[in-house]
Amino acid sequence: DTVLTQSPALAVSPGERVTISCRASESVSTLMHWYQQKPGQQPKLLIYKASNLASGVPARFSGSGSGTDFTFTIDPVEADDIATYYCHQSWNSPLTFGSGTKLEIK
Amino acid sequence: EVQLVESGGGLVQPGRSLKLSCAASGFTFSNYDMAWVRQAPTKGLEWVASISTGGGNTYYRDSVKGRFTISRDNAKSTLYLQMDSLRSEDTATYYCARHARVYGYVMDAWGQGASVTVSS
Repeated sequence: DTVLTQSPALAVSPGERVTISCRASESVSTLMHWYQQKPGQQPKLLIYKASNLASGVPARFSGSGSGTDFTFTIDPVEADDIATYYCHQSWNSPLTFGSGTKLEIK
Repeated sequence: EVQLVESGGGLVQPGRSLKLSCAASGFTFSNYDMAWVRQAPTKGLEWVASISTGGGNTYYRDSVKGRFTISRDNAKSTLYLQMDSLRSEDTATYYCARHARVYGYVMDAWGQGASVTVSS
């Protein structure tokens, strides 16, 4: 299985920039996607195919990368961005998710 | 508005069965592959199974192969997950999700989830 390794929990102040990394154990081409999950809610798609903003998602969110190394950025961070962020690959079977990065606001 | 509404969750004893349903609305259900994804308490997301538009192709993670069956009824715009021989490690919230093939098979819409607890 393709293992996706995410950076650990992060704490940032509102207005700052935060970058979350996701490294795949094998190439996933550009089929890496990013989700936001707030407590008690279902995941919400933010970025698809590495760098494309999903419909209705603010431009504060962005993504980049290809192959095995990907990054997800929020700039600037807002208080409402408190959530766990997951990367997810759909290039290899089985589909896999990263373990999640919990974002905390200082 | 795209809506996916799961139902059928609950408490079940190990070894027993449970069937989840997911009612879809706001889009042409028969045009999309669909999936089930689960999340154990305080854990991350785990893909469980996917099904093609017509139901002819199904895919499962190894740990549920032979125990779970994904199916669909396009006339009713409903997705199903039949879960047999349930184990304690199947305890999770189960989400129904839509695959967007044009966007690289990403799961672009999710239901609110159905809770399944396997315990004696």
